[in-house]
Amino acid sequence: EAGVTQFPSHSVIEKGQTVTLRCDPISGHDNLYWYRRVMGKEIKFLLHFVKESKQDESGMPNNRFLAERTGGTYSTLKVQPAELEDSGVYFCASSQDLNQPQHFGDGTRLSIL
Amino acid sequence: AQSVTQLDSQVPVFEEAPVELRCNYSSSVSVYLFWYVQYPNQGLQLLLKYLSGSTLVESINGFEAEFNKSQTSFHLRKPSVHISDTAEYFCAVKALGYSTLTFGKGTMLLVSP
Repeated sequence: EAGVTQFPSHSVIEKGQTVTLRCDPISGHDNLYWYRRVMGKEIKFLLHFVKESKQDESGMPNNRFLAERTGGTYSTLKVQPAELEDSGVYFCASSQDLNQPQHFGDGTRLSIL
Repeated sequence: AQSVTQLDSQVPVFEEAPVELRCNYSSSVSVYLFWYVQYPNQGLQLLLKYLSGSTLVESINGFEAEFNKSQTSFHLRKPSVHISDTAEYFCAVKALGYSTLTFGKGTMLLVSP
């Protein structure tokens, strides 16, 4: 069974540009989550999808971040325009239901110059 | 709201020595508890979990953790570490019925020969 996959693994862009991160959850997992780790800080929750619906987006930092999960399969996280403080590692996770452990991808390392 | 404290940012240890990585949590509701591990240049992997039942849980590679409700702790232990255990270890909690994982800051375990 394939795990959670994220693309790209690394992205380096300039301040003001746009970047889109992609996450493919484990097949059959309705729950999809985005987290972020900024350098030196804890891994922080961003948002949670159940199928194509946003269940909880309380962790999204501001309106420069837009997450979508059209069709309830893969998800994208767009940052537009990117700012220096957006640098960090963005993790995606998925689970079958709320009471099952979340399985994480390898993350996307985002560097804003 | 939940919080997780991992007091040790780094734990250096010699190969074959025992190790304990400390984790304390705070929550006003019942929680599930997890340890995740991130090996160099890899993503987060679930190491072990406490959902219910026996308070002592074990992983396949010799780690164990004990849920102590009165002390609100979930310390991770291994009686004899290997070089390959060098990694960053994250303690996390999730309130029952909620989606958000709350992570500690992580503990880097450095095993030397």
